Amino acid sequence: AQTVTQSQPEMSVQEAETVTLSCTYDTSESNYYLFWYKQPPSRQMILVIRQEAYKQQNATENRFSVNFQKAAKSFSLKISDSQLGDTAMYFCAFEGQAGGTSYGKLTFGQGTILTVHP
Amino acid sequence: DGGITQSPKYLFRKEGQNVTLSCEQNLNHDAMYWYRQDPGQGLRLIYYSQIVNDFQKGDIAEGYSVSREKKESFPLTVTSAQKNPTAFYLCASRGGGRIYAGELFFGEGSRLTVL
Repeated sequence: AQTVTQSQPEMSVQEAETVTLSCTYDTSESNYYLFWYKQPPSRQMILVIRQEAYKQQNATENRFSVNFQKAAKSFSLKISDSQLGDTAMYFCAFEGQAGGTSYGKLTFGQGTILTVHP
Repeated sequence: DGGITQSPKYLFRKEGQNVTLSCEQNLNHDAMYWYRQDPGQGLRLIYYSQIVNDFQKGDIAEGYSVSREKKESFPLTVTSAQKNPTAFYLCASRGGGRIYAGELFFGEGSRLTVL
């Protein structure tokens, strides 16, 4: 079974600064996907960024980027130029692909509450 | 607008009662999911359905039941057999078929409190 660990229950950052959220995972699968989801105080969870394990290049979405270290099974999220709207709980998630098939069965980490201060 | 609608947002239940949480989507997605969120534990998968009239147990299915009679709807029943039902419940859907690990779209959630 896969496990996903987020070791930082809470983080804070000043507006316009950079913050990195950590995530480690454990799996024996060779094909998988990793995600970061954001859950703002309004509660509707949205996708921030997605990484395919077979791609060596780190994914980037505007101010959000990841540092994917496959050998170390690490998948951190970097938020640059932090904004007040980034305040949310962030979840790291893993999805394995058995035989090339995805079933949408994601394993989530415990979450990190990020607070951006003005 | 396309999206996922969960109702009710807040629900109170007495011990021994069954309750049903509604989840409706108009995204034309084949796959739908129910997750349970507890503080400090992240999200855990209860049930999922890849297609109408078919569903599978997730990691914590005991005490829950679902149905998938229509593509748009995936209701979750929390039965009296669920020992600790107080939680936040999230419904999600995804398109793209089985070979596509795409984005999950989530509803706003339902908070169930057992009195």
